Amino acid sequence: DIQMTQSPSSLSASVRDRVSITCRASQSISSFLNWYQQKPGKAPKLLIYAASSLQSGVPSRFSGSGSGTDFTLTISSLQPEDFATYYCQQSYSTPSTFGQGTNLEIK
Amino acid sequence: QLQLRESGPGLVKPSETLSLTCTISGDSISSYDYYWGWIRQPPGKGLEWIGSISYTGSTYYKSSLQSRVTISVDTSKTLFSLDLISVTAADTAIYYCARLVDTSMGRVDYWGQGTLVTVSS
Repeated sequence: DIQMTQSPSSLSASVRDRVSITCRASQSISSFLNWYQQKPGKAPKLLIYAASSLQSGVPSRFSGSGSGTDFTLTISSLQPEDFATYYCQQSYSTPSTFGQGTNLEIK
Repeated sequence: QLQLRESGPGLVKPSETLSLTCTISGDSISSYDYYWGWIRQPPGKGLEWIGSISYTGSTYYKSSLQSRVTISVDTSKTLFSLDLISVTAADTAIYYCARLVDTSMGRVDYWGQGTLVTVSS
């Protein structure tokens, strides 16, 4: 199985900060990388697919980049509703696998 | 607007079978563009892909669960199901049903609200 490793595991930031979360795959996954946001008690929500494509309805302050093994999710200006846990997912091969999550907290 | 809803027992005894159903509304289950899957999340932990199924019935499972899991689809009733046999406490989790785009392990664009299943005697 392909292992997905996110860093950092937790992150403290302030409203209007620019933050980045990285995700590394244990082997090349081309651009088959997706990002999700999960708030407590809720199902995850798709933000970015195919490494850099913005899901419909997601604010443009979210962006994704990378290919191969290294990927980044960037939030350009944090808003209060962005404090949540973020997961990456590889959809290159079965079984699909997720990163361990990054908990984004208010500083 | 597509909606997915999980249903099934919230408590299962060890060694017994966990059975969940996902009912789809607002769209057809019969499309080559989508697969239908199950993902779980132990309380306070990360996400684990269990497996998926096409509307024609082709199945794909996580290898470590393959001996215990069955996913099936009923296109006439617009639902798909998960059976997990011989459960242990390690199977305690929130179980989500999901729509996967394009491939059996594709991105999830729609999720159910999740249902907590506790394995305990």
